[in-house]
Amino acid sequence: DTGVSQNPRHKITKRGQNVTFRCDPISEHNRLYWYRQTLGQGPEFLTYFQNEAQLEKSRLLSDRFSAERPKGSFSTLEIQRTEQGDSAMYLCASSARDKNTEAFFGQGTRLTVV
Amino acid sequence: AQTVTQSQPEMSVQEAETVTLSCTYDTSESDYYLFWYKQPPSRQMILVIRQEAYKQQNATENRFSVNFQKAAKSFSLKISDSQLGDAAMYFCAYSGGGGADGLTFGKGTHLIIQP
Repeated sequence: DTGVSQNPRHKITKRGQNVTFRCDPISEHNRLYWYRQTLGQGPEFLTYFQNEAQLEKSRLLSDRFSAERPKGSFSTLEIQRTEQGDSAMYLCASSARDKNTEAFFGQGTRLTVV
Repeated sequence: AQTVTQSQPEMSVQEAETVTLSCTYDTSESDYYLFWYKQPPSRQMILVIRQEAYKQQNATENRFSVNFQKAAKSFSLKISDSQLGDAAMYFCAYSGGGGADGLTFGKGTHLIIQP
């Protein structure tokens, strides 16, 4: 296991299309986080899972966004009816409950909506 | 809501010199963690150093150390003996709920290392 893996690395989509991103956390980590990072800004928290339970959602997560972690392992983030304002880097991070809360980040999925 | 402020959009330092990056935060919680993350160009975010709020002693990791002033809600990062590989965006981050909550990040400081 080499770390948090995100796919795809880049996604270009037309406005109005749906997109789905995948995150594979470090295998023994039970916490998984999604963040969004726009150019020149720090990452913004979107949502958090502990195992398969989605425990927290930011108000940034509009009803066009949905995240799942069905078996407590990988997670998906879907954006429906994409808008140009959705263009950003989407970061996934995972952490182990009993290991000092350090979060390990993936390399992100860069979304461009045209 | 918690906020994290980094007032230095960009800092520049000569190689081998020392640089300090500033961060202030606002919270009403008593149990929280503070972090500095490094994000090199086109590479993933990595943890530099972490501070538990209940610990009075400042955290240190090799050339990286923090000055944690809890009453002032200040959490600065000092990088000693700066190296070319230290060039990156540095983000200060806060996590409440005993560290279980998602991270709240500042806007970042772009650190330039001059050879």
